[in-house]
Amino acid sequence: IAGITQAPTSQILAAGRRMTLRCTQDMRHNAMYWYRQDLGLGLRLIHYSNTAGTTGKGEVPDGYSVSRANTDDFPLTLASAVPSQTSVYFCASSPSLAGGTDTQYFGPGTRLTVL
Amino acid sequence: GQNIDQPTEMTATEGAIVQINCTYQTSGFNGLFWYQQHAGEAPTFLSYNVLDGLEEKGRFSSFLSRSKGYSYLLLKELQMKDSASYLCAVTDSNYQLIWGAGTKLIIKP
Repeated sequence: IAGITQAPTSQILAAGRRMTLRCTQDMRHNAMYWYRQDLGLGLRLIHYSNTAGTTGKGEVPDGYSVSRANTDDFPLTLASAVPSQTSVYFCASSPSLAGGTDTQYFGPGTRLTVL
Repeated sequence: GQNIDQPTEMTATEGAIVQINCTYQTSGFNGLFWYQQHAGEAPTFLSYNVLDGLEEKGRFSSFLSRSKGYSYLLLKELQMKDSASYLCAVTDSNYQLIWGAGTKLIIKP
């Protein structure tokens, strides 16, 4: 079934630990995104990628890094997790331009708790 | 700054009609999206408006007035499965998508 997968589904992490959230899409979409969703706030863009080999910073990039080695994968890394990074993380993709006017397709999310 | 406002929560009755409003103030405008998000799940696309007027898609319709910075999502013949959050998002002049906090819709029998 075509779509986006994320791993892990949920994770409890000690503060200071390094963590990589995985995201893979099989729709051959050019653009990919990482969002965090917190209660009472809208989805906030962390990082995005217009195409393989390029990445850009979103609204809340501090403490996070991404890479886009190929079209399908877009991992998000927390170098040293802090409790304020407790959130639900969604990966998304769209056919072309980052943001733009394309529909975004979302993965199922990763629920991360940092203690 | 950029801002999107939606009511936090609304309640409606099964079989009825509900209108969810969204007002926005953004640097430029290149379209407005509505997404549906069931609790614990990912957002899914509902509609996209870039021109003024009403777009109808089955039980769901979306309206846009660019001059007023206003949109609404109209849900008819409400079903229990429509209980979800509805997210309004606007593409600004830099083609960045700005998201509202969402409206939680509760459907009662």
